[in-house]
Amino acid sequence: SQTIHQWPATLVQPVGSPLSLECTVEGTSNPNLYWYRQAAGRGLQLLFYSVGIGQISSEVPQNLSASRPQDRQFILSSKKLLLSDSGFYLCAWDSGLHEETQYFGPGTRLLVL
Amino acid sequence: DQQVKQNSPSLSVQEGRISILNCDYTNSMFDYFLWYKKYPAEGPTFLISISSIKDKNEDGRFTVFLNKSAKHLSLHIVPSQPGDSAVYFCAASVNSGAGSYQLTFGKGTKLSVIP
Repeated sequence: SQTIHQWPATLVQPVGSPLSLECTVEGTSNPNLYWYRQAAGRGLQLLFYSVGIGQISSEVPQNLSASRPQDRQFILSSKKLLLSDSGFYLCAWDSGLHEETQYFGPGTRLLVL
Repeated sequence: DQQVKQNSPSLSVQEGRISILNCDYTNSMFDYFLWYKKYPAEGPTFLISISSIKDKNEDGRFTVFLNKSAKHLSLHIVPSQPGDSAVYFCAASVNSGAGSYQLTFGKGTKLSVIP
């Protein structure tokens, strides 16, 4: 069966510090991978998606970036965090086989102070 | 512009009764609709979905209804149980090309099932 991991679970970072969140998927090959953010009191906003290694599409211009160095690894980064980057970050995957259901990881809660 | 709207931020229902969660959308290109359930500090869990070519899909206690002409869908939970208490997100999907799908989420409805 497929599983998706995210770490860390919780992170407190000062403004201006760098960020690296990692997501890995097990039990599947060539998945589509997604990064979402849920800000307080809001729905889930798609940040990035990837259909393959090295292929990243950005949905929202911001100071965040994403990379996919391996087939089942997706990384969310920032060089300098802003207060507004605080939120709950979720990684998701789908099979990449034209199946429209996405499955989510446990999330990372980021607090920027 | 919010393309997927869940106009009720919260809903309280007595245990054993029916819970009805509503969702409206504006983009006629959406071709697949999903409901997710989310507990605090956890990722959303997929619950049930429906293709735009259908008007009903049922899975146990959960039924999703789609009214394409009204651009409206609803999730029915019967009977409601205390463990159903969570935030429910409606999501709509469109093919973004190259085999990936973009999900657009509503802001969620917090369901509280009272014992």
